[in-house]
Amino acid sequence: GQNIDQPTEMTATEGAIVQINCTYQTSGFNGLFWYQQHAGEAPTFLSYNVLDGLEEKGRFSSFLSRSKGYSYLLLKELQMKDSASYLCAVMDSNYQLIWGAGTKLIIKP
Amino acid sequence: DAGITQSPRHKVTETGTPVTLRCHQTENHRYMYWYRQDPGHGLRLIHYSYGVKDTDKGEVSDGYSVSRSKTEDFLLTLESATSSQTSVYFCAISEGQESNEQFFGPGTRLTVL
Repeated sequence: GQNIDQPTEMTATEGAIVQINCTYQTSGFNGLFWYQQHAGEAPTFLSYNVLDGLEEKGRFSSFLSRSKGYSYLLLKELQMKDSASYLCAVMDSNYQLIWGAGTKLIIKP
Repeated sequence: DAGITQSPRHKVTETGTPVTLRCHQTENHRYMYWYRQDPGHGLRLIHYSYGVKDTDKGEVSDGYSVSRSKTEDFLLTLESATSSQTSVYFCAISEGQESNEQFFGPGTRLTVL
């Protein structure tokens, strides 16, 4: 079967750095996406990785290792507004997105 | 922000009644998707469309049907709602399938009593 695993919840301090991991087992791979979802709102796109390595976009970076079936999202200089759920999703061989259950990130002052 | 709306935003209905949710886009994107989101689960694909009158089933399509008679509208119908269909429903759109991000509507919270 297809499976995406990410931690259910993480806590971090304002101004710090946090890394959210995602491991996956899917039938085929056509890229990995990270989305942010604030409570009661729609998911919004953060990043896309299809090749191994690190993609940096401002305070957020995303890393991919296809051989290990592993990705992480790195958030730097955490702000209170970063409190949200972070969703990992893999595009499989049929170009369908398989979603993880999400990681709820709690930022403390 | 992508122009995508959903209606209604909230609905409470009773078991056995039919329910139709509407997704409307102004971006002229080819692909449209219906997902449901439940606690402890990732987003799960119900149905998707790759063009007018072209639709296909997703992971959790049982009990749901869809129609797309115009590029901008994608309807999701629960023929006879059950309590297990209580969920938050999201519509999403994308220009294509490969590497294209999906843009999500605001969601519809459906409660089946």
